[in-house]
Amino acid sequence: AQKITQTQPGMFVQEKEAVTLDCTYDTSDPSYGLFWYKQPSSGEMIFLIYQGSYDQQNATEGRYSLNFQKARKSANLVISASQLGDSAMYFCAMREGRSGGSYIPTFGRGTSLIVHP
Amino acid sequence: DTGVSQNPRHKITKRGQNVTFRCDPISEHNRLYWYRQTLGQGPEFLTYFQNEAQLEKSRLLSDRFSAERPKGSFSTLEIQRTEQGDSAMYLCASSLGLGGSGPIFGEGSWLTVV
Repeated sequence: AQKITQTQPGMFVQEKEAVTLDCTYDTSDPSYGLFWYKQPSSGEMIFLIYQGSYDQQNATEGRYSLNFQKARKSANLVISASQLGDSAMYFCAMREGRSGGSYIPTFGRGTSLIVHP
Repeated sequence: DTGVSQNPRHKITKRGQNVTFRCDPISEHNRLYWYRQTLGQGPEFLTYFQNEAQLEKSRLLSDRFSAERPKGSFSTLEIQRTEQGDSAMYLCASSLGLGGSGPIFGEGSWLTVV
């Protein structure tokens, strides 16, 4: 079974509008963490935001916020006031307890975001 | 530059040759990860070090692949007898424990096997 599911292969948004990128996850571990990364065409993975499973409040980092709905096992990324430079691939990832407690992040297949003027 | 550094950035090699990639993590980071990414996919886990100990390896890491992290500093990923299916981007990431942020990635090393 997929640990991380990103159902939107591509999204388009107009500059200055908000956009939500979907992510659902599957785990039975009560302690886990969720991440979002941005990957522009240059290839580097850029860390955006982190949410721990025990965090009471949704994480925010500047224009990025994470809409964490634990019961639905979803961790959607909201980008407010989109900019042209936001055009990139976006990956959702999760780390959970594994044998030996290594907590290795597992990534989804990504969503391509295109911001147009 | 205090980020994660990977070398070489691009490598073209003939099938059957050996290649080695190097990763220099952020100096205080004790965890180091190697991932592989092919077009249209997310990064796939290959192996993980905590300090100098290699604690986990993916099934993707066939016996042609070997990784080391001597003295818990830089790491190398070697692929022996390369195959065309090895063509991918190899990503290195590091982190300090399980802090409240994700691992920091390098810019990746692109491998093309011809």
